Amino acid sequence: QSVLTQPPSASGTPGQRVTISCSGSSSNIGRNTVSWYQQLPGAAPKLVIFSNHQRPSGVPDRFSGSRSGTSASLAISGLQSEDEADFYCAAWDDSLNGYVFGPGTKVNVL
Amino acid sequence: QVQLVQSGAEVKRPGASVKVSCKASAYTFGNYAITWVRQVPGQGLEWLGCISAHHGHTNYAQNVQGRVTMTTDTSTTTAHMELSSLISDDTAVYYCAGGATDWFDSWGQGTLVIVSS
Repeated sequence: QSVLTQPPSASGTPGQRVTISCSGSSSNIGRNTVSWYQQLPGAAPKLVIFSNHQRPSGVPDRFSGSRSGTSASLAISGLQSEDEADFYCAAWDDSLNGYVFGPGTKVNVL
Repeated sequence: QVQLVQSGAEVKRPGASVKVSCKASAYTFGNYAITWVRQVPGQGLEWLGCISAHHGHTNYAQNVQGRVTMTTDTSTTTAHMELSSLISDDTAVYYCAGGATDWFDSWGQGTLVIVSS
């Protein structure tokens, strides 16, 4: 059981906006920054958002992140077929003194 | 962004140890923390711990504490993760990742470790 909660799946048609939620607690999201990773089938994870809302170089601005209280969200606008992947939120947890990942959300492009 | 290349797949017997290596591009190695993450096939990501490439300070996950050892060799810009007393539940793809301690912008390609009798 992860200390971070994500919906198992999210879907949208090409061009739509999809939002993925990540719920945590005061020991993780409530006091530490959130990152988001995209994992395409058969590939290593890729960082798409760090420090709650920052995008690494090369990540399209269709990806955006936000954090409020003990929750965070990742939004993908202008959904494209190549966005079909698993997305994981993550944050440091002060109680566990370790890094925790959410269970992952599979994004399906219909 | 550091480039990370991992060692090849391993098959081990229960009770044995495995050592996975992760070679980093040279000039940025000392500035990074190297984190190890594993993924059981079909399941999510699990953080195993991290090590400061420059200082060698480590922080291990509670569920592998006592079985895992992470090291770095700055002369070869290589990080290593050794896991001992292997059980079948340790069968997974093991990734090294570089970056800060709370976000990782570089990932190795993954190393499959199979524990089977």
